[in-house]
Amino acid sequence: GENVEQHPSTLSVQEGDSAVIKCTYSDSASNYFPWYKQELGKRPQLIIDIRSNVGEKKDQRIAVTLNKTAKHFSLHITETQPEDSAVYFCAATFNQAGTALIFGKGTTLSVSS
Amino acid sequence: DAGITQSPRHKVTETGTPVTLRCHQTENHRYMYWYRQDPGHGLRLIHYSYGVKDTDKGEVSDGYSVSRSKTEDFLLTLESATSSQTSVYFCATGVGGGTEAFFGQGTRLTVV
Repeated sequence: GENVEQHPSTLSVQEGDSAVIKCTYSDSASNYFPWYKQELGKRPQLIIDIRSNVGEKKDQRIAVTLNKTAKHFSLHITETQPEDSAVYFCAATFNQAGTALIFGKGTTLSVSS
Repeated sequence: DAGITQSPRHKVTETGTPVTLRCHQTENHRYMYWYRQDPGHGLRLIHYSYGVKDTDKGEVSDGYSVSRSKTEDFLLTLESATSSQTSVYFCATGVGGGTEAFFGQGTRLTVV
């Protein structure tokens, strides 16, 4: 069935370092790949997304790259800050699920100052 | 944030009882989704709707049913609650397939 694998499950970095989270997906027809950030006790919120016709997208300290051939995409956070500490989820659309978003299991990012 | 309201926000119920969670949106989004969130499992799709009276199953639909009689409301029913259904439930909406999903605040359900 539809599947999104996300690694690592936990990531600890020092303030100012870079953080990278990687995801792979199973459906070659997937065409939309968002990343969500969830702070403790809050709802998931979109931080960046990319479509299948684009290889890379940046928004200030955050970037996402997509390799359609290999079916993987990654989130890159540069110059991390303590407020970046949260759970990050990748997701992909699956046509068999009405193009609903199927999520990875999440990465808990901890940024220490 | 999109106008998405979930009710109740917290509920404790007994095993074997039926439970209905409500999601109400004011954005006129066509698509609505129910997810459950559990430690180590991320967000898993339960059911989704692509229009009034149009619904389909997601990854973990066993023991759940849904209804959508109006664009703005999407109900999730646990027919006979079990302890394995203790979870945080999130409703989400979107303008179309393959677009951003906007999440509600979540409902914490405990089945004892």
